[in-house]
Amino acid sequence: DVKVTQSSRYLVKRTGEKVFLECVQDMDHENMFWYRQDPGLGLRLIYFSYDVKMKEKGDIPEGYSVSREKKERFSLILESASTNQTSMYLCASSFLEGSETQYFGPGTRLLVL
Amino acid sequence: GNSVTQMEGPVTLSEEAFLTINCTYTATGYPSLFWYVQYPGEGLQLLLKATKADDKGSNKGFEATYRKETTSFHLEKGSVQVSDSAVYFCALRVAYGNNRLAFGKGNQVVVIP
Repeated sequence: DVKVTQSSRYLVKRTGEKVFLECVQDMDHENMFWYRQDPGLGLRLIYFSYDVKMKEKGDIPEGYSVSREKKERFSLILESASTNQTSMYLCASSFLEGSETQYFGPGTRLLVL
Repeated sequence: GNSVTQMEGPVTLSEEAFLTINCTYTATGYPSLFWYVQYPGEGLQLLLKATKADDKGSNKGFEATYRKETTSFHLEKGSVQVSDSAVYFCALRVAYGNNRLAFGKGNQVVVIP
């Protein structure tokens, strides 16, 4: 079974803190994605990566950065957390070609106080 | 650009009722279309997909047909169960060369015993 794991299910941080969200997949997928999920807004893509050290901005990259040093791991970084970044964060992965299915982790619910 | 529109609002229905969730899309070309489901406390998982016009995707009693003429991909199930309570997302593949998806806002489905 494909497994996508995220480092935390729940996280509480203070405004201005630097926050790291980690995602690991075990299927040797080339693509990895970070989304945020908010009520009434659905899923919005923050960043994605199609290879190690490669990244592309999604629809809402402002206030976020990412790191992909190894193929299996994709990190989302909030340089200085703000209250409007309180959200559910979902990581996903997929092959670059062939199957289009994205596999999702369980999500990290982040609260910024 | 490519986008997906889902019907507004949550859906509440009784067990064994017929379920329809509307999804229409705007796209250049003929993108693959997907329905993802998110059960409480979990990440998203693929429910079904269709890759070309007139294809029907099906899984777990759910069906959706790729209708090019109406640019639609409505999700249906003939007799829902309490265990079908979840959030359902329609999505389309944004571009070739990567597996980036555009998601609709999702519909909360609540099935009452």
